[in-house]
Amino acid sequence: KQEVTQIPAALSVPEGENLVLNCSFTDSAIYNLQWFRQDPGKGLTSLLLIQSSQREQTSGRLNASLDKSSGRSTLYIAASQPGDSATYLCAVRRGGSNYKLTFGKGTLLTVNP
Amino acid sequence: KAGVTQTPRYLIKTRGQQVTLSCSPISGHRSVSWYQQTPGQGLQFLFEYFSETQRNKGNFPGRFSGRQFSNSRSEMNVSTLELGDSALYLCASSPGLGTGNTIYFGEGSWLTVV
Repeated sequence: KQEVTQIPAALSVPEGENLVLNCSFTDSAIYNLQWFRQDPGKGLTSLLLIQSSQREQTSGRLNASLDKSSGRSTLYIAASQPGDSATYLCAVRRGGSNYKLTFGKGTLLTVNP
Repeated sequence: KAGVTQTPRYLIKTRGQQVTLSCSPISGHRSVSWYQQTPGQGLQFLFEYFSETQRNKGNFPGRFSGRQFSNSRSEMNVSTLELGDSALYLCASSPGLGTGNTIYFGEGSWLTVV
């Protein structure tokens, strides 16, 4: 059974700091990994999608890496801003015939002005 | 292009009642999946539909059911509601089943069972 863990559960940083969020998964037989952002009371917004054959993806100030063999992914946020404050979730989609997403419980990020 | 639309956004039900939630996927998307989000369990997969057929199902009791229509719109139903069913129910759509494409979520339906 796939398990996804996100560390830390919460993180508070001053504005302008670069930061890294971690995601680990137990079963490396994944199809892809996706990072999402969730604002309070809202749905999920997709940030980056990394296919199992890729090592990293970048979008603006965000960079996500994937090391399938070690079961790890990181989300790097450069020059953090108060508007980045949200819960960040990673999810893995397994291969084979079952395509469901398994989510971590998220990292609550607070960026202080 | 309109996003994933879920209705109703908020609802309060009494134990023992049933509820139906609706989801309209992004135009052209044929796969719809449902998730339950609670503070304790996080996001848990309920089921996924493609071309009006349930393709995958999570570990939820039979009180949770769903369906998909020919226009890809989907509904989920929870019968005999329990207090523990209080949660945010999220619908997501993607172009196809098991593709490498991004999955897009709606804003969710907040269900409170009293």
